[in-house]
Amino acid sequence: AQSVTQLDSQVPVFEEAPVELRCNYSSSVSVYLFWYVQYPNQGLQLLLKYLSGSTLVKGINGFEAEFNKSQTSFHLRKPSVHISDTAEYFCAVKGSGNTGKLIFGQGTTLQVKP
Amino acid sequence: NAGVTQTPKFQVLKTGQSMTLQCAQDMNHEYMSWYRQDPGMGLRLIHYSVGAGITDQGEVPNGYNVSRSTTEDFPLRLLSAAPSQTSVYFCASRGTRGSTDTQYFGPGTRLTVL
Repeated sequence: AQSVTQLDSQVPVFEEAPVELRCNYSSSVSVYLFWYVQYPNQGLQLLLKYLSGSTLVKGINGFEAEFNKSQTSFHLRKPSVHISDTAEYFCAVKGSGNTGKLIFGQGTTLQVKP
Repeated sequence: NAGVTQTPKFQVLKTGQSMTLQCAQDMNHEYMSWYRQDPGMGLRLIHYSVGAGITDQGEVPNGYNVSRSTTEDFPLRLLSAAPSQTSVYFCASRGTRGSTDTQYFGPGTRLTVL
């Protein structure tokens, strides 16, 4: 069965510092990976997704992620964070079959400090 | 274009009461789904639908019923609420069945069962 593991439940970082949020997945043949962000008291919105092609994927708000097949990872990075990036981040993999179900990781809370 | 809407935003129930969480989308999406979000567990799929008249169970369906009589609406019913159903519930929709299109999430319903 497919699964997603987010290795850190909380990541504290100072403003303007770089950050990496880690995600590992287990999956079969085809892998489609997503990062979503949830700001306080809001729903989830898509940051970026990897479907195929270049392993470096750029998303909104200056985030990017790198798909690494050999390490089964899809880590999210930003070179310089802002206070407004404080949120919960979810990594997800598309489930098997044709329904397009998403399987989510446990979430990582990014806390940006001034 | 309102996207995905959910009502109510907050609800408090007593054990054994029933209620329906409403979800609607105006994007003519075929695929709709319900997730629950619990601390440290990410989002877990409750039920999903790939089109009007078609529903299926997700990862945690017990205690919940759904129906899909129209493309736009996908209500979630709790027939006899239990404290274990205290959670935040998100509805999501996506364009084409089996695709990797972006899922759009509603703002959530925060449910407390006493």
